[in-house]
Amino acid sequence: GQQLNQSPQSMFIQEGEDVSMNCTSSSIFNTWLWYKQDPGEGPVLLIALYKAGELTSNGRLTAQFGITRKDSFLNISASIPSDVGIYFCAGPMNRDDKIIFGKGTRLHILP
Amino acid sequence: GAGVSQSPSNKVTEKGKDVELRCDPISGHTALYWYRQSLGQGLEFLIYFQGNSAPDKSGLPSDRFSAERTGGSVSTLTIQRTQQEDSAVYLCASSNRGSGTQYFGPGTRLLVL
Repeated sequence: GQQLNQSPQSMFIQEGEDVSMNCTSSSIFNTWLWYKQDPGEGPVLLIALYKAGELTSNGRLTAQFGITRKDSFLNISASIPSDVGIYFCAGPMNRDDKIIFGKGTRLHILP
Repeated sequence: GAGVSQSPSNKVTEKGKDVELRCDPISGHTALYWYRQSLGQGLEFLIYFQGNSAPDKSGLPSDRFSAERTGGSVSTLTIQRTQQEDSAVYLCASSNRGSGTQYFGPGTRLLVL
């Protein structure tokens, strides 16, 4: 089946550092979604991207829809402790298709 | 409420017993998903309902797992003859056709002793 490959699998950073993670696919996607899951909670949508090349920000978060439609990036600037969690990329290949998820990037902030 | 709700929030059961997990999606959402998540792991797709179409059951791990969605709204995930490896968080999500985005419930934490 279709797969989304996320990297890195885990990140250990200092508070205040910038973070960058990405998601790639062998197939073209028409929508890219980024979710965050806090411990003990369900994932929550952070950013949705609908056009190739689109760059969208949500506070300290910025995500981009790759030009090839096969990748997407999420950046977090000036990380804070509440950024800890699992970040998932996801998408339907076409608007009405089943949404599939990457395996997640686990963000840890060192004390 | 306005969001996806799931019940129970926690379930402890004995190996071999059957369990039923419930999901109430956002009103009007045509798509409903079930996922399983083991501790610290990613989301394992189980089943997908979209409107009146036949459900996509390709993620169900065994024939002990089944799900139904009545009236295009509430869904029940049933696990028969539970095993210890079934212990996980079961997450439900719903979306509107064409929106491409999902809204998740808080999950049901299942522990099989």
